[in-house]
Amino acid sequence: AQTVTQSQPEMSVQEAETVTLSCTYDTSENNYYLFWYKQPPSRQMILVIRQEAYKQQNATENRFSVNFQKAAKSFSLKISDSQLGDTAMYFCAFDSNYKLTFGKGTLLTVNP
Amino acid sequence: GAVVSQHPSWVICKSGTSVKIECRSLDFQATTMFWYRQFPKQSLMLMATSNEGSKATYEQGVEKDKFLINHASLTLSTLTVTSAHPEDSSFYICSALGTVNYGYTFGSGTRLTVV
Repeated sequence: AQTVTQSQPEMSVQEAETVTLSCTYDTSENNYYLFWYKQPPSRQMILVIRQEAYKQQNATENRFSVNFQKAAKSFSLKISDSQLGDTAMYFCAFDSNYKLTFGKGTLLTVNP
Repeated sequence: GAVVSQHPSWVICKSGTSVKIECRSLDFQATTMFWYRQFPKQSLMLMATSNEGSKATYEQGVEKDKFLINHASLTLSTLTVTSAHPEDSSFYICSALGTVNYGYTFGSGTRLTVV
């Protein structure tokens, strides 16, 4: 069974600064997807970024980028120029065979 | 973009009654829908996976007779919590997998409180 580990239950960052959220996973699969989802207080799950395991290039979406290290099974999320609206719970998720496995989440607080 | 509409957003029911939660994909066909449960300050736990026109596949430990899932069309899936009890109180979220672009779209969730 796949497992996803987010070792930082909570993190905080000052507005406009950069923060990195860590995520590691364990799998014997070779083809899979990795996601970062954001869940603000409204509890709506919002896709932040997606990475296909077969792609070596790290995915980027505006201020959000990942550092995908397949051999190390690591998938960290970097948020640049943090904004107050980035305050949310962030979940790392592993997808293989159309089944998402979530980490326990990291609560990110952006301070003014 | 893809939208999944989930209703109701919150519901309070009496112990012993049944509650139905609906999820509709508004602008795409969802071959597969997923139902999750989330306790406060915890992660999402997959309850079941449903494919249109076939029986749902339940995760280990999830009572299929208690949590009835119907996926009668490519745009609608329902979760019925039967004979609800206070311990069923939770946040339930659906997710849909599209047929065109690979990705999951989540509903806005339903907060169920059983009193």
